[in-house]
Amino acid sequence: EVQLVESGGGLVQPGGSLRLSCAASGFTLSNYAMNWVRQAPGKGLEWVSTISEGGTTYYADSVRGRFTISRDTSRNTLYLQINSLRGEDTAIYYCAQFGPSILGNWGQGTLVTVSS
Amino acid sequence: QAVLTQPSSLSASPGASASLTCTLRSGINVGAYRIYWYQQKPGNPPQYLLRYTSDSDKHQGSGVPSRFSGSKDASANAGILLISGLQSEDEADYYCMIWHSSASVFGGGTKLTVL
Repeated sequence: EVQLVESGGGLVQPGGSLRLSCAASGFTLSNYAMNWVRQAPGKGLEWVSTISEGGTTYYADSVRGRFTISRDTSRNTLYLQINSLRGEDTAIYYCAQFGPSILGNWGQGTLVTVSS
Repeated sequence: QAVLTQPSSLSASPGASASLTCTLRSGINVGAYRIYWYQQKPGNPPQYLLRYTSDSDKHQGSGVPSRFSGSKDASANAGILLISGLQSEDEADYYCMIWHSSASVFGGGTKLTVL
Protein backbone atom coordinates (compact mmCIF):
# COMPACT_ATOMS: atom_id res chain seq x y z
CA GLU A 1 0.00 0.00 0.00
CA VAL A 2 1.31 3.40 -1.00
CA GLN A 3 1.53 5.79 1.93
CA LEU A 4 2.96 9.26 2.57
CA VAL A 5 3.43 10.46 6.14
CA GLU A 6 4.51 14.03 6.86
CA SER A 7 6.11 15.29 10.04
CA GLY A 8 8.06 18.25 11.32
CA GLY A 9 5.45 20.98 11.47
CA GLY A 10 4.89 23.20 14.46
CA LEU A 11 4.80 26.69 15.85
CA VAL A 12 7.74 28.84 14.84
CA GLN A 13 8.54 32.53 15.18
CA PRO A 14 8.86 34.78 12.15
CA GLY A 15 12.30 34.39 10.68
CA GLY A 16 12.62 30.87 12.01
CA SER A 17 13.23 27.57 10.27
CA LEU A 18 11.76 24.09 10.09
CA ARG A 19 12.46 20.92 8.21
CA LEU A 20 9.46 18.99 7.04
CA SER A 21 9.73 15.29 6.27
CA CYS A 22 7.57 12.97 4.18
CA ALA A 23 8.21 9.27 4.66
CA ALA A 24 7.11 7.20 1.70
CA SER A 25 6.20 3.54 1.74
CA GLY A 26 4.87 1.14 -0.85
CA PHE A 27 6.86 2.66 -3.70
CA THR A 28 10.34 3.99 -4.47
CA LEU A 29 10.14 7.73 -4.03
CA SER A 30 13.02 8.54 -6.39
CA ASN A 31 11.20 6.87 -9.29
CA TYR A 32 8.53 9.55 -9.23
CA ALA A 33 8.20 13.31 -9.22
CA MET A 34 7.35 14.46 -5.71
CA ASN A 35 5.78 17.69 -4.59
CA TRP A 36 4.97 19.92 -1.65
CA VAL A 37 1.64 21.71 -1.71
CA ARG A 38 0.31 23.98 1.02
CA GLN A 39 -3.06 25.22 2.09
CA ALA A 40 -3.51 28.27 4.26
CA PRO A 41 -6.45 28.20 6.68
CA GLY A 42 -9.70 28.46 4.75
CA LYS A 43 -7.89 28.92 1.43
CA GLY A 44 -7.22 26.92 -1.69
CA LEU A 45 -4.28 24.77 -2.67
CA GLU A 46 -0.94 26.39 -3.46
CA TRP A 47 1.92 24.51 -5.10
CA VAL A 48 5.23 25.02 -3.31
CA SER A 49 7.91 22.84 -4.87
CA THR A 50 8.66 19.80 -7.02
CA ILE A 51 11.59 17.45 -7.35
CA SER A 52 11.58 15.45 -10.55
CA GLU A 53 12.52 11.81 -10.96
CA GLY A 54 15.89 12.98 -12.19
CA GLY A 55 16.39 15.31 -9.24
CA THR A 56 15.61 18.64 -10.88
CA THR A 57 13.97 21.05 -8.44
CA TYR A 58 11.32 23.68 -9.02
CA TYR A 59 9.92 26.33 -6.70
CA ALA A 60 7.04 28.75 -6.50
CA ASP A 61 8.15 32.36 -6.75
CA SER A 62 6.82 32.98 -3.23
CA VAL A 63 9.27 30.52 -1.66
CA ARG A 64 12.27 30.47 -4.00
CA GLY A 65 15.45 31.20 -2.10
CA ARG A 66 13.87 30.37 1.29
CA PHE A 67 12.67 26.78 0.79
CA THR A 68 14.71 23.76 -0.36
CA ILE A 69 13.28 20.46 -1.49
CA SER A 70 15.38 17.31 -1.30
CA ARG A 71 15.10 13.57 -0.93
CA ASP A 72 17.02 10.77 0.76
CA THR A 73 16.81 7.64 -1.33
CA SER A 74 18.19 5.43 1.44
CA ARG A 75 15.38 6.55 3.75
CA ASN A 76 12.80 6.84 0.95
CA THR A 77 11.96 10.24 2.41
CA LEU A 78 11.20 13.66 0.96
CA TYR A 79 12.17 16.84 2.77
CA LEU A 80 11.34 20.52 2.68
CA GLN A 81 13.71 22.86 4.46
CA ILE A 82 11.89 26.10 5.14
CA ASN A 83 13.82 29.17 6.27
CA SER A 84 13.07 32.83 6.92
CA LEU A 85 9.48 31.98 7.74
CA ARG A 86 6.79 34.61 7.40
CA GLY A 87 3.22 34.82 8.62
CA GLU A 88 1.94 34.07 5.13
CA ASP A 89 3.72 30.73 5.25
CA THR A 90 1.23 29.53 7.86
CA ALA A 91 -0.49 26.54 6.28
CA ILE A 92 -0.94 22.82 6.18
CA TYR A 93 1.91 21.42 4.11
CA TYR A 94 1.10 18.34 2.08
CA CYS A 95 3.49 15.93 0.47
CA ALA A 96 1.96 14.77 -2.81
CA GLN A 97 2.88 12.53 -5.70
CA PHE A 98 1.94 13.79 -9.12
CA GLY A 99 3.81 14.17 -12.35
CA PRO A 100 4.33 12.42 -15.69
CA SER A 101 4.12 9.04 -13.92
CA ILE A 102 1.31 9.24 -11.45
CA LEU A 103 0.24 7.39 -8.35
CA GLY A 104 -1.71 10.35 -7.05
CA ASN A 105 -1.19 9.86 -3.33
CA TRP A 106 -1.18 12.69 -0.80
CA GLY A 107 -0.16 12.64 2.82
CA GLN A 108 -2.34 13.84 5.68
CA GLY A 109 -0.38 17.06 5.97
CA THR A 110 1.61 18.80 8.68
CA LEU A 111 0.65 22.19 10.09
CA VAL A 112 3.15 25.02 10.13
CA THR A 113 2.17 28.05 12.17
CA VAL A 114 4.30 31.17 12.02
CA SER A 115 3.60 33.50 14.92
CA SER A 116 5.38 35.42 17.62
CA GLN B 1 -5.63 37.19 -14.92
CA ALA B 2 -5.17 33.84 -13.18
CA VAL B 3 -3.70 30.94 -15.12
CA LEU B 4 -6.66 28.70 -14.15
CA THR B 5 -10.14 29.96 -13.33
CA GLN B 6 -12.82 27.86 -11.69
CA PRO B 7 -16.31 28.99 -10.66
CA SER B 8 -16.34 29.41 -6.91
CA SER B 9 -19.49 27.35 -6.41
CA LEU B 10 -21.90 25.04 -8.14
CA SER B 11 -25.08 23.36 -6.99
CA ALA B 12 -26.76 20.29 -8.42
CA SER B 13 -29.34 17.74 -7.41
CA PRO B 14 -28.75 14.14 -6.38
CA GLY B 15 -28.79 11.84 -9.39
CA ALA B 16 -28.06 14.69 -11.80
CA SER B 17 -24.78 15.42 -13.56
CA ALA B 18 -22.43 18.26 -12.72
CA SER B 19 -19.92 19.76 -15.09
CA LEU B 20 -17.06 21.59 -13.38
CA THR B 21 -15.01 23.84 -15.59
CA CYS B 22 -11.40 24.92 -15.40
CA THR B 23 -10.70 27.73 -17.84
CA LEU B 24 -7.15 28.41 -18.96
CA ARG B 25 -5.94 31.95 -19.36
CA SER B 26 -6.01 33.35 -22.86
CA GLY B 27 -2.83 32.41 -24.67
CA ILE B 28 -2.49 29.09 -22.86
CA ASN B 29 -3.95 26.40 -25.12
CA VAL B 30 -5.86 23.72 -23.22
CA GLY B 31 -5.03 21.18 -25.90
CA ALA B 32 -1.39 21.13 -24.88
CA TYR B 33 -1.92 20.35 -21.19
CA ARG B 34 -2.54 17.46 -18.89
CA ILE B 35 -5.28 18.56 -16.50
CA TYR B 36 -5.38 17.03 -13.05
CA TRP B 37 -8.51 17.02 -10.88
CA TYR B 38 -8.66 16.71 -7.12
CA GLN B 39 -11.48 16.39 -4.60
CA GLN B 40 -11.17 17.71 -1.08
CA LYS B 41 -13.64 17.21 1.72
CA PRO B 42 -13.52 19.29 4.92
CA GLY B 43 -10.73 18.30 7.25
CA ASN B 44 -9.17 15.92 4.75
CA PRO B 45 -6.26 16.10 2.32
CA PRO B 46 -7.03 16.37 -1.37
CA GLN B 47 -7.73 13.13 -3.20
CA TYR B 48 -6.55 12.61 -6.75
CA LEU B 49 -9.45 11.90 -9.10
CA LEU B 50 -8.09 11.79 -12.60
CA ARG B 51 -5.81 13.28 -15.20
CA TYR B 52 -7.05 14.12 -18.68
CA THR B 53 -5.10 15.11 -21.74
CA SER B 54 -7.16 13.49 -24.46
CA ASP B 55 -9.39 10.46 -24.88
CA SER B 56 -6.26 8.45 -25.72
CA ASP B 57 -4.23 9.85 -22.83
CA LYS B 58 -6.10 9.80 -19.57
CA HIS B 59 -5.63 8.28 -16.13
CA GLN B 60 -8.21 7.45 -13.48
CA GLY B 61 -7.17 7.51 -9.85
CA SER B 62 -7.13 4.25 -8.00
CA GLY B 63 -10.60 3.46 -6.71
CA VAL B 64 -12.19 6.49 -8.32
CA PRO B 65 -15.61 5.63 -9.71
CA SER B 66 -16.14 5.81 -13.46
CA ARG B 67 -18.89 8.38 -12.96
CA PHE B 68 -16.01 10.86 -12.58
CA SER B 69 -14.63 11.64 -16.01
CA GLY B 70 -12.58 14.31 -17.72
CA SER B 71 -12.80 16.12 -21.00
CA LYS B 72 -11.86 19.37 -22.70
CA ASP B 73 -13.80 22.09 -24.45
CA ALA B 74 -11.40 23.59 -26.94
CA SER B 75 -13.81 26.34 -27.90
CA ALA B 76 -13.93 27.51 -24.29
CA ASN B 77 -10.25 26.72 -23.68
CA ALA B 78 -11.31 24.73 -20.64
CA GLY B 79 -10.91 21.42 -18.93
CA ILE B 80 -14.04 19.77 -17.62
CA LEU B 81 -14.70 17.37 -14.78
CA LEU B 82 -18.00 15.61 -15.30
CA ILE B 83 -19.63 13.91 -12.35
CA SER B 84 -22.62 11.81 -13.27
CA GLY B 85 -25.20 10.31 -10.94
CA LEU B 86 -24.43 12.81 -8.20
CA GLN B 87 -24.43 11.51 -4.65
CA SER B 88 -24.45 13.42 -1.39
CA GLU B 89 -20.89 12.21 -0.75
CA ASP B 90 -19.73 14.13 -3.82
CA GLU B 91 -20.26 17.38 -1.96
CA ALA B 92 -16.73 18.77 -1.71
CA ASP B 93 -14.24 21.25 -3.08
CA TYR B 94 -12.79 20.41 -6.48
CA TYR B 95 -9.48 21.72 -7.79
CA CYS B 96 -7.90 21.54 -11.22
CA MET B 97 -4.17 21.74 -11.80
CA ILE B 98 -1.71 21.96 -14.69
CA TRP B 99 2.05 22.06 -15.06
CA HIS B 100 2.88 25.37 -16.75
CA SER B 101 6.16 27.22 -17.16
CA SER B 102 8.07 24.92 -14.82
CA ALA B 103 5.49 25.21 -12.08
CA SER B 104 2.32 23.49 -10.97
CA VAL B 105 -0.67 25.78 -10.91
CA PHE B 106 -3.94 25.13 -9.10
CA GLY B 107 -7.26 26.68 -9.85
CA GLY B 108 -9.03 28.46 -7.05
CA GLY B 109 -11.43 25.55 -6.53
CA THR B 110 -15.14 24.97 -6.94
CA LYS B 111 -17.36 24.18 -3.99
CA LEU B 112 -19.90 21.64 -5.17
CA THR B 113 -23.13 21.45 -3.21
CA VAL B 114 -25.45 18.50 -3.75
CA LEU B 115 -28.96 19.37 -2.69
